Amino acid sequence: KNEVEQSPQNLTAQEGEFITINCSYSVGISALHWLQQHPGGGIVSLFMLSSGKKKHGRLIATINIQEKHSSLHITASHPRDSAVYICAVRQGGSEKLVFGKGTKLTVNP
Amino acid sequence: KAGVTQTPRYLIKTRGQQVTLSCSPISGHRSVSWYQQTPGQGLQFLFEYFSETQRNKGNFPGRFSGRQFSNSRSEMNVSTLELGDSALYLCASTRGAENTEAFFGQGTRLTVV
Repeated sequence: KNEVEQSPQNLTAQEGEFITINCSYSVGISALHWLQQHPGGGIVSLFMLSSGKKKHGRLIATINIQEKHSSLHITASHPRDSAVYICAVRQGGSEKLVFGKGTKLTVNP
Repeated sequence: KAGVTQTPRYLIKTRGQQVTLSCSPISGHRSVSWYQQTPGQGLQFLFEYFSETQRNKGNFPGRFSGRQFSNSRSEMNVSTLELGDSALYLCASTRGAENTEAFFGQGTRLTVV
């Protein structure tokens, strides 16, 4: 079993829909990251969370430390949100990240 | 403020050769981590360097090595290349203190033929 599990693996939505991507982890962590990867490879860090909730524009990320679960929400989705979204966790004392397999999101106009 | 720079962006090598990839972190960042991304295995941790010292190493064979210079720039080297080493190699830089944001480079896409 992977230490970081994401669901769903693939997600197709219509423009304007509310999107939720889930991440569960099985190890103790010091922080959880949500990352976005577009075709071509570059990765952009969207959020780093150790507790609670963060919001940036149309993106919201939440984390429940007790339940070892995090969600990434996209409100009013747009075709430019189409990308792979990756959850990664960091354990204390190291910069090492352990990644989920990613969720491929396609938003159709 | 310049981002994380990886060079080269693309590379084609022959089996048995060796390759060196470079990563220049954001100014002021002292930690550089390297990751390999393949379609089958996803993103996997290779190693982490902080202030010229390897602080952590992933589960990769000894053909994979790295180093960090006094200006925090890092290189990774893969010797005796195998077809399975074809991948996107990403580096990430952080300040090195606990729970600081990671910034990724665009990656180097290595193809071994």
